[in-house]
Amino acid sequence: AQSVTQPDIHITVSEGASLELRCNYSYGATPYLFWYVQSPGQGLQLLLKYFSGDTLVQGIKGFEAEFKRSQSSFNLRKPSVHWSDAAEYFCAVAYSYNNNDMRFGAGTRLTVKP
Amino acid sequence: ETGVTQTPRHLVMGMTNKKSLKCEQHLGHNAMYWYKQSAKKPLELMFVYNFKEQTENNSVPSRFSPECPNSSHLFLHLHTLQPEDSALYLCASSRDRTDTQYFGPGTRLTVL
Repeated sequence: AQSVTQPDIHITVSEGASLELRCNYSYGATPYLFWYVQSPGQGLQLLLKYFSGDTLVQGIKGFEAEFKRSQSSFNLRKPSVHWSDAAEYFCAVAYSYNNNDMRFGAGTRLTVKP
Repeated sequence: ETGVTQTPRHLVMGMTNKKSLKCEQHLGHNAMYWYKQSAKKPLELMFVYNFKEQTENNSVPSRFSPECPNSSHLFLHLHTLQPEDSALYLCASSRDRTDTQYFGPGTRLTVL
């Protein structure tokens, strides 16, 4: 079955430390991959997306993600976390070039310690 | 500012009530979506409208009834809901069904 897994429900990092949020998908072909962020009381905002080409994708707010086909992963990274990055992060996968087919992970909540 | 607004932001209703959620987008988009976000569960796509026509209904119970009178407005009419319907309901829009979705802040619904 097609699925999206975010193994970490909650992660805590210190401000200034590096961050990596994990995302794995299960699908036969190369999907379209997305990372969204949801701050408290707000809707989801797109951080970055991968459709094809360079497997290292740069996004907004200093985030990047790397598509690794061999590991079926699309992990999100940031070299130095800011307190304002505290939020919930969602990985999403689309199995066609159509939003109707998008599937979201359950999310990872990020807490940033001072 | 995402350009997608939702009202009300919070709603508490009994199981016999009828209420409606409203979504409005100011982005000139042609596709609009309703999602359900429950605690600890992935976001679930409920309905999709493209140029005011419903193109997706993901086996949503009939107690949820969507309406899209024009490309800028989307409603979700609610009646005889169950407590398990309590969730955050998110609206989104996109230029077309293949383009980036922009989300509203959601309506937090509690069914007593």
